[in-house]
Amino acid sequence: QLQLQESGSGLVKPSQTLSLTCTVSGGSISSDTYSWSWIRQPPGKGLEWIGYMYHSGSTSYNPSLKSRVTISVDRSKNQFSLKLNSVTAADTAVYYCARGFGVLIISRFDPWGQGTLVTVSS
Amino acid sequence: QSVLTQPASASGTPGQRVTISCSGSSSNIGDNTVHWYQQLPGAAPKLLIYSNTQRPSGVPDRFSGSKSGTSASLAVSGLQSEDEADYYCAAWDDRLTGPVFGGGTKLTVL
Repeated sequence: QLQLQESGSGLVKPSQTLSLTCTVSGGSISSDTYSWSWIRQPPGKGLEWIGYMYHSGSTSYNPSLKSRVTISVDRSKNQFSLKLNSVTAADTAVYYCARGFGVLIISRFDPWGQGTLVTVSS
Repeated sequence: QSVLTQPASASGTPGQRVTISCSGSSSNIGDNTVHWYQQLPGAAPKLLIYSNTQRPSGVPDRFSGSKSGTSASLAVSGLQSEDEADYYCAAWDDRLTGPVFGGGTKLTVL
C-alpha cells in the first residue's frame, strides 16, 4: 500500500525559503502512470494546488506561485521535494504531498500524506 | 475566492440523504471530470469519488457522485455521524492549466 510522508522545517522566517520533502513508500516514484504533487491548506481555509512533477521529471506549477516554486525529485531515495522562496505569512499552511493520477490532466489525488504545518513567522 | 463554488455548509439528521453541489464553468467541470475529497477533522483529505461517479475501493456505496453540464453533486444517503467532515470538489481547469478545488462544504450531522 502506497504511503507518503512529508518532512521539513515547521517554522520559516519571512523572506526565507520553505523546504519540504515527501518520502514515498510501498511503490516507486518512477512509475510512468502517476505524477507527484504538492497541495496546501491555510488554517481554516480550502485546498490550493502548488504544483507537480511528472514521471519524466518535467514540472507544472500553479501560475500564482510559479515564480517562487521549485519541485524536484531524488529517485535514489524515492523522494520528491518542494522549495518555496520569499515566503510571507500568507504561505502559512498545512502542506500535503499526494500522488496524482494521469500524465497531463491531473486533478485526482490519492493517496495523500498526513500533512505538515509550516508557519511563517519571525 | 475558489474557482469551483460549493455551499459553505450542509446538514442532516442520521439516516437522511444530503446533497452537496459544486458549480463551475465550461473550462473546468464542463470539459473535465470531477473528483470529490472527504476531510475528516484533523486529517488529510481522502479521495471519495473520482471520475464523476466512481468510488475507490473501501468507500461505502452511501456516497455517490453525479455531473451535469458545468455542475456536479455529491450525495450522501443513510447519513451517519462519522460522515461529519469537510467535502471538496476538484476538476482540471483548461484555462488555468491546472487542477482547481471548491471552497469546501462542512457537513454537520445533527
